[in-house]
Amino acid sequence: QQQVKQSPQSLIVQKGGISIINCAYENTAFDYFPWYQQFPGKGPALLIAIRPDVSEKKEGRFTISFNKSAKQFSLHIMDSQPGDSATYFCAASKRGGADGLTFGKGTHLIIQP
Amino acid sequence: GAVVSQHPSWVICKSGTSVKIECRSLDFQATTMFWYRQFPKQSLMLMATSNEGSKATYEQGVEKDKFLINHASLTLSTLTVTSAHPEDSSFYICSAGRTSYEQYFGPGTRLTVT
Repeated sequence: QQQVKQSPQSLIVQKGGISIINCAYENTAFDYFPWYQQFPGKGPALLIAIRPDVSEKKEGRFTISFNKSAKQFSLHIMDSQPGDSATYFCAASKRGGADGLTFGKGTHLIIQP
Repeated sequence: GAVVSQHPSWVICKSGTSVKIECRSLDFQATTMFWYRQFPKQSLMLMATSNEGSKATYEQGVEKDKFLINHASLTLSTLTVTSAHPEDSSFYICSAGRTSYEQYFGPGTRLTVT
């Protein structure tokens, strides 16, 4: 049972464009939703996270949109740059993030110059 | 801040031997650390949750006698892969909780069992 479904699997965006990655979850006990960026051979780096009492959170070029009723959340990367090319993972956790994370399958993002 | 280190970054061992991987939070204390496993081009799978001073909690399907976890202090957790076999070859990544909800990941350890 895949508890966090992520799409698309891969994404190509032109430089300066908006990259959008979507995730959906099944377990209503999840109450903490972070996004991570991972480069090959490296550990994931925390980008931004949201709790279900907020519908949107923005940090720099990164925005999370959260729809509690639909059990969906998405990452928007504004003004995408070649340096943003990486694999992005959404995740979910219970107990406000104190539990281990359940990850989506990842999105391989390529930003074309 | 929130730096997590792992050692070694890469290890090759022979089948049947044991390997220890260290995870340290360098600039904060972490009461909880987590161990994940990642196969090539796949997602991260939670293996176990490690709390300082208590026994680790393992996810379903993870052999606790094969993957020994010790959380000796607020800044150090270790994962020992015992009697390693080629199918244990993977990327092992730890994370540490800086606050009650933020998890910061280490750089990972690539284990190759020959």
